Amino acid sequence: AQSVTQLGSHVSVSEGALVLLRCNYSSSVPPYLFWYVQYPNQGLQLLLKYTTGATLVKGINGFEAEFKKSETSFHLTKPSAHMSDAAEYFCAVSLNTPLVFGKGTRLSVIA
Amino acid sequence: DTEVTQTPKHLVMGMTNKKSLKCEQHMGHRAMYWYKQKAKKPPELMFVYSYEKLSINESVPSRFSPECPNSSLLNLHLHALQPEDSALYLCASSQEGRETQYFGPGTRLLVL
Repeated sequence: AQSVTQLGSHVSVSEGALVLLRCNYSSSVPPYLFWYVQYPNQGLQLLLKYTTGATLVKGINGFEAEFKKSETSFHLTKPSAHMSDAAEYFCAVSLNTPLVFGKGTRLSVIA
Repeated sequence: DTEVTQTPKHLVMGMTNKKSLKCEQHMGHRAMYWYKQKAKKPPELMFVYSYEKLSINESVPSRFSPECPNSSLLNLHLHALQPEDSALYLCASSQEGRETQYFGPGTRLLVL
């Protein structure tokens, strides 16, 4: 069975600092991988996804993620945090089933 | 256009009421989903419709009744809900079961 682990339920960074949100998956074969962002009282918005091909994936709002098969990881990064990045971030995996979500990481950005 | 719309945005209902949540997409997607999300938790899958047929029911109580009138619409009929059913209800759609899911803004439901 596939599963997703997000390390750190809460990450706090200073404005302008690097953002790193960690995601590890468990799957017998490489799955499709997704990062979603959720702002308060809103739905989930797709940030980026990996299906096949290039392992470095660029998404919206300056975010990117790298698929590392050897480490079964799909960490999300952004070089410089902005106040508007404060939100809940979910990593999700899909093999031959609907999405399996991680528990989420709340990102706080300090001025 | 990757928009999924949901109505209403907010809903307050008593435990004896009957209400419906509506979801619509015009992206030609063939799979549609209902999720329930409690505060500070990830979405929990409730139902999946594939080609207008119910393909997954995640052991959801019968007080929740999904309906897919056509390929663009998805309803969730609510009856005799409990206070613990209060949550954000999210609809999503995708081209196929494994492809990217696009989410609506959700309906915030409060059961009194």
